[in-house]
Amino acid sequence: DVKVTQSSRYLVKRTGEKVFLECVQDMDHENMFWYRQDPGLGLRLIYFSYDVKMKEKGDIPEGYSVSREKKERFSLILESASTNQTSMYLCASSVPYEQYFGPGTRLTVT
Amino acid sequence: AQSVTQPDIHITVSEGASLELRCNYSYGATPYLFWYVQSPGQGLQLLLKYFSGDTLVQGIKGFEAEFKRSQSSFNLRKPSVHWSDAAEYFCALNSGGSNYKLTFGKGTLLTVNP
Repeated sequence: DVKVTQSSRYLVKRTGEKVFLECVQDMDHENMFWYRQDPGLGLRLIYFSYDVKMKEKGDIPEGYSVSREKKERFSLILESASTNQTSMYLCASSVPYEQYFGPGTRLTVT
Repeated sequence: AQSVTQPDIHITVSEGASLELRCNYSYGATPYLFWYVQSPGQGLQLLLKYFSGDTLVQGIKGFEAEFKRSQSSFNLRKPSVHWSDAAEYFCALNSGGSNYKLTFGKGTLLTVNP
């Protein structure tokens, strides 16, 4: 079975802090994705990566950056957390056309 | 641009009743279509997918979906709902591009009454 893990299930950070969300997959997938999920808005793509050190912006990249130094790990970085980044963050990795999701990190910024 | 619409934000059914969740898409060609389920506090789990061929696809947990090109729809059905089916359901589309990005609908929350 494909396994996608995220470093934390719940996280509380203060405004202005630098926040790292980590995602690891164990299936040697090339493509990985970061989404945020908010009530009534569904899932919105923040960034995705199609290879090590390669990345592309999704629909809502503002305020976020990513890092992919190894194939299995894809990190989402909030350079200076703000309260409007309080959300559920979901990571996924992909074989062609089919994505596998991690359990999510619920981030609260106070 | 492609899009996915789930017209029903919230549906309530009684346990044992049949279920149909609606999904409409907008895309110029035949897309790859998916249904995912999310239990409270969890990530998304793939229920079923349509790529081509038979327009009625079977998934896990007794779900099925039918692709109707003429209606640009991919509705999810289950003949008899169980209390454990209470969750949020997302329809998604992939245009077949090499980046494998998904476009999601906003989701339908299913409540199951005993």
